[in-house]
Amino acid sequence: DTEVTQTPKHLVMGMTNKKSLKCEQHMGHRAMYWYKQKAKKPPELMFVYSYEKLSINESVPSRFSPECPNSSLLNLHLHALQPEDSALYLCASSQPQTGGRYEQYFGPGTRLTVT
Amino acid sequence: AQKVTQAQTEISVVEKEDVTLDCVYETRDTTYYLFWYKQPPSGELVFLIRRNSFDEQNEISGRYSWNFQKSTSSFNFTITASQVVDSAVYFCALRDNTGGFKTIFGAGTRLFVKA
Repeated sequence: DTEVTQTPKHLVMGMTNKKSLKCEQHMGHRAMYWYKQKAKKPPELMFVYSYEKLSINESVPSRFSPECPNSSLLNLHLHALQPEDSALYLCASSQPQTGGRYEQYFGPGTRLTVT
Repeated sequence: AQKVTQAQTEISVVEKEDVTLDCVYETRDTTYYLFWYKQPPSGELVFLIRRNSFDEQNEISGRYSWNFQKSTSSFNFTITASQVVDSAVYFCALRDNTGGFKTIFGAGTRLFVKA
């Protein structure tokens, strides 16, 4: 099973709302990632969790708050977003390593619109 | 610094034509890994292939083939007898020991295959 699932598929939220994006994988991967992708651009790394610990935070604004409750789940809590945060948010997972060896498996993404 | 260049922004072909997507990379590490991902309109990035820096063997998988040449720092992707379902954005990517968990994506090449 090489599937990463994400919910919801689409999300529209106002700038004062609080919402969460969810990601789940059952491949036994111990590294999980959040990416942001704007139209016609490659994915940009936001956060990396390795063995449920935050390993990388790419200077993401605090209105994005990641959480890794267990080895299969990854959440992204959203609060007080700006319209420029509208994008496709992709979750990915891989075997854990620091040498870059393993490929990532991506979910279908959540298309977020901030009004 | 690591860098991946996909000089072709968009390519349009007619079904059954062969098409090659170019990828040129830069890294100072001697150990690194190269990847190709496909992103169809649905949004999910699909892993296609991984190649490590010590293995310059070319690979063929059905209609897909990859040509890895360290001498020119290139990792090109050829689709033979293209089909409409091949229409997608294709990303070349690099991971190395220095970058660890970080994947460096190229800008992507958008492929249109017309019937």
